[in-house]
Amino acid sequence: NAGVMQNPRHLVRRRGQEARLRCSPMKGHSHVYWYRQLPEEGLKFMVYLQKENIIDESGMPKERFSAEFPKEGPSILRIQQVVRGDSAAYFCASSPGTVGQETQYFGPGTRLLVL
Amino acid sequence: QQQVKQSPQSLIVQKGGISIINCAYENTAFDYFPWYQQFPGKGPALLIAIRPDVSEKKEGRFTISFNKSAKQFSLHIMDSQPGDSATYFCAASMLSGGGNKLTFGTGTQLKVEL
Repeated sequence: NAGVMQNPRHLVRRRGQEARLRCSPMKGHSHVYWYRQLPEEGLKFMVYLQKENIIDESGMPKERFSAEFPKEGPSILRIQQVVRGDSAAYFCASSPGTVGQETQYFGPGTRLLVL
Repeated sequence: QQQVKQSPQSLIVQKGGISIINCAYENTAFDYFPWYQQFPGKGPALLIAIRPDVSEKKEGRFTISFNKSAKQFSLHIMDSQPGDSATYFCAASMLSGGGNKLTFGTGTQLKVEL
């Protein structure tokens, strides 16, 4: 059973470009969470999605950031018109979403560098 | 209200010693408290987790102590080994109606010396 997969692992963008981060949850997991980790800091919640639905986006900036988890395919975190402050590690986590199965399994992260 | 405060920021322990990391929370609605271990360049991995209906949980060398009245919980690593050198994060969430989004502490960098 493969773990949570994220790609790309490293992404370099120039200011103003778009960044698209992908997350494939573990098999059988229907819940996906995105977190951002700035250097030397803890992880901050961004958004929580279930298949085709955004459940909680309270941690995601209102502008330039969007997320989706389509019926087929990976979850996508999209950052438009990136700025230097977007440089961070972005982690996704997945869970089965069933009672008693609350563990979130994290992927290896995508490290975004904005030049 | 949503903060989780973690200390110390860094910790050096001799091999075989006990590593202790502490966390405190404010939101009494939190009902799930996991600890994650993270190695450089990797994603966090769950170590051990506790619900507030128990005061202690032990798995191998790792123990969580939970004090509901003080709103504090701690991780104890017994017989610390060099391979335990990593960053440790405490976290908290609301499983009941909160969607289980994790609020993380700021992390503790543990170094276990020979």
